[in-house]
Amino acid sequence: DTEVTQTPKHLVMGMTNKKSLKCEQHMGHRAMYWYKQKAKKPPELMFVYSYEKLSINESVPSRFSPECPNSSLLNLHLHALQPEDSALYLCASSQDGTAIKNIQYFGAGTRLSVL
Amino acid sequence: AQTVTQSQPEMSVQEAETVTLSCTYDTSESNYYLFWYKQPPSRQMILVIRQEAYKQQNATENRFSVNFQKAAKSFSLKISDSQLGDTAMYFCAFVDNNAGNMLTFGGGTRLMVKP
Repeated sequence: DTEVTQTPKHLVMGMTNKKSLKCEQHMGHRAMYWYKQKAKKPPELMFVYSYEKLSINESVPSRFSPECPNSSLLNLHLHALQPEDSALYLCASSQDGTAIKNIQYFGAGTRLSVL
Repeated sequence: AQTVTQSQPEMSVQEAETVTLSCTYDTSESNYYLFWYKQPPSRQMILVIRQEAYKQQNATENRFSVNFQKAAKSFSLKISDSQLGDTAMYFCAFVDNNAGNMLTFGGGTRLMVKP
């Protein structure tokens, strides 16, 4: 099983709303990632969790707040977003966060629209 | 800094024909991994093929093969017997010891397979 599950698939929110994106994997991976992807562009790394600890934050605005409650679950809490934050948000996981041979497995993403 | 360049923003191929997608990269490291990921309209990024820099033999996965030219820092993807389901964005990606498990993506090539 190489599945990374993301919910919801689509999300529409206003600029004053608070919402959360969820990502789950049951492959025993200890590294999980959040990416932001604009149309026709490659994914941009936002956050990396390694062994449930935040190891990388790519200067992401504080209106995005990641959380890793356990090794299988990764959340992205959203608050006071801007229209330019509309994008596809991808979650990925890998065996660990350091070995360069590790493959990242991606979920199908959440399509976020901020009105 | 590592860079990955895909010089073909869009390509098309007739069903059953062969197509080659190009990718060049830049690094000063001797050990690294290269990947081709496919992102169909369903949005999920799927690993197509992986190549370790130390291996001289080109990787092959069924209809997909690579031409890895280490001295030229080139990593092209050949798709044989193209199928309609191969229609997707294709991203070349790279990781080396300087970046842990952080992928550097190329800008992507949109491939359309025509019936």
